[in-house]
Amino acid sequence: EVQLVESGGGLVQPGGSLRLSCAASGFTFSSYEMNWVRQAPGKGLEWVSYISSSGSPIYYADSVKGRFTISRDNAKNSLFLQMNTLRAEDTALYYCARGYYGNSAYPRFDYWGQGTLVTVSS
Amino acid sequence: DIQMTQSPSSLSASVGDRVTITCRASQSISTYLNWYQQKPGKAPKLLIYVASSLQSEVPSRFSGSGSGTDFTLTINSLQPEDFATYYCQQSYSTPRTFGPGTKVDIK
Repeated sequence: EVQLVESGGGLVQPGGSLRLSCAASGFTFSSYEMNWVRQAPGKGLEWVSYISSSGSPIYYADSVKGRFTISRDNAKNSLFLQMNTLRAEDTALYYCARGYYGNSAYPRFDYWGQGTLVTVSS
Repeated sequence: DIQMTQSPSSLSASVGDRVTITCRASQSISTYLNWYQQKPGKAPKLLIYVASSLQSEVPSRFSGSGSGTDFTLTINSLQPEDFATYYCQQSYSTPRTFGPGTKVDIK
């Protein structure tokens, strides 16, 4: 059974840092691209970042570029999101999501974790 | 960046109704359009991929259509468990933008 379990969320002051983790199991982690998607309280979904199966290339939403860093450890089946210089508008539930291609040239997000809540507030 | 819009933003419907949600991309995305369902307090769930392919174990009352810039999600014979928020997402390019969502609630 595919499982994605996020951790590392919490309360942080503006300007602070936080590192999120996503532990994957039930599939060959090193074969799949991974993504972070966030959802501010009462709002819609916002794609945050992508990392390929090998670790490169990497992409970011403009809203987090230069402040967030995505990485992965395929040996430990883990995905990470290092978040620096956090702002109030980064407050959200952060999901990791697996990107799956199947027979398509472009992916869908077929498995999601349950999310980890990040609150940026003084 | 490709912008996604959805209409309506919300709708009220009854069990057994046929519901149609539309999604529009700001430029052509071929058929690289996915639909997700999200219930309160839960993670999104993939329903439809490449515009019209039904994800495994998703009931056949869900269907998708469209190509280019205009897409539709249809729910035939709405069931109580279908009351949720629905999001479209383009996977044609990064950023892999989502639509703003359509909330389906009980009339």
